[in-house]
Amino acid sequence: GAVVSQHPSWVICKSGTSVKIECRSLDFQATTMFWYRQFPKQSLMLMATSNEGSKATYEQGVEKDKFLINHASLTLSTLTVTSAHPEDSSFYICSALRLGREQFFGPGTRLTVL
Amino acid sequence: AQKITQTQPGMFVQEKEAVTLDCTYDTSDPSYGLFWYKQPSSGEMIFLIYQGSYDQQNATEGRYSLNFQKARKSANLVISASQLGDSAMYFCAMREGNQGGKLIFGQGTELSVKP
Repeated sequence: GAVVSQHPSWVICKSGTSVKIECRSLDFQATTMFWYRQFPKQSLMLMATSNEGSKATYEQGVEKDKFLINHASLTLSTLTVTSAHPEDSSFYICSALRLGREQFFGPGTRLTVL
Repeated sequence: AQKITQTQPGMFVQEKEAVTLDCTYDTSDPSYGLFWYKQPSSGEMIFLIYQGSYDQQNATEGRYSLNFQKARKSANLVISASQLGDSAMYFCAMREGNQGGKLIFGQGTELSVKP
């Protein structure tokens, strides 16, 4: 199967700082990537759809100014959590769409905001 | 309204026995796909099986099979001959044909396999 990586795999930061998470498709080009958030013992909730070369599409209730998404190339999308607060602590998972059909998930990034 | 519903928060099964994890869905789109993923404690999402809305036969992948009942809008996952390594969270997900590939996930079922 195709490989999607995320970096970092975990991060701890202080409240008020910004954190950037990278999602890379390693062996295929992905014009579309997705960002999900998962709280403990809960399901994956789609945050936004990241489209290469255009603005991301955010799901209802997700603050676009807080969760900045940049999809600058066909293999890289970044999610920046700005002015992070403890309630932003969560597991963030990206996925990449190959050939507009198959979706491959990254291993996830665990964010802890102190 | 919930598009994907998994009504079993937790399930137990004896090793080597079969188990069925329930999933119902709701969509008006005639073209859709249904997925099952396994998420162990490490957090990675492992793809298990896929069923397309126009597929005539139920999907099977090794020990996994999908009991697709279109009229009932259900897509239950059957795991045969359970193994200890099957203990994990299991998520049902749906992709609608007109939604650009995004997946909507159910609440998940935590499966525990007993030795």
